[in-house]
Amino acid sequence: AQSVAQPEDQVNVAEGNPLTVKCTYSVSGNPYLFWYVQYPNRGLQFLLKYITGDNLVKGSYGFEAEFNKSQTSFHLKKPSALVSDSALYFCAVRPSYNTDKLIFGTGTRLQVFP
Amino acid sequence: NAGVTQTPKFRVLKTGQSMTLLCAQDMNHEYMYWYRQDPGMGLRLIHYSVGEGTTAKGEVPDGYNVSRLKKQNFLLGLESAAPSQTSVYFCASNKTPGYGQFFGPGTRLTVL
Repeated sequence: AQSVAQPEDQVNVAEGNPLTVKCTYSVSGNPYLFWYVQYPNRGLQFLLKYITGDNLVKGSYGFEAEFNKSQTSFHLKKPSALVSDSALYFCAVRPSYNTDKLIFGTGTRLQVFP
Repeated sequence: NAGVTQTPKFRVLKTGQSMTLLCAQDMNHEYMYWYRQDPGMGLRLIHYSVGEGTTAKGEVPDGYNVSRLKKQNFLLGLESAAPSQTSVYFCASNKTPGYGQFFGPGTRLTVL
């Protein structure tokens, strides 16, 4: 079955430290991969995507993600965390080119402490 | 541009009542989606549309119906609400599936 896993329900990091939010996927073919962020009582906001090309993609608010085909992972990273980065983060995958839908992970809550 | 808007923002229903949630987008997007978000379960796709006049089932379509009579609007209907439909409902749209989806602010629905 096609799926997306976010193995950590919560990630805690001190402000100024690097952060990583993990995502692994299980789909056939060449997936499209996305990261979204959700602030309290708001809808999801698109952060970045990987379709093809360079394995390191850069997105909004200083976030980046690294696509690793051999490990079927697409981890979200930021070199220096801010308190304002505290939010719920979702990884999503579009399984193949001829699929109209996204499969979302269950979300990881990022808490950045001052 | 208003982006994606949802009406209403909050609603409380009694079991068996019906209601319609409205989603509107002003970006001329072809694709529109309805999701529900429940704690610990992420977002689950209810129904979606690939263009005006089309609809398709998602992961959890039972108990819901949709219509896309106009390109800019995507309606989600609950004919007979059940407590299991208590959730936060999000609408989203995009130009094509290769692009990121734009989300509305959500509708918090409680069914008593």
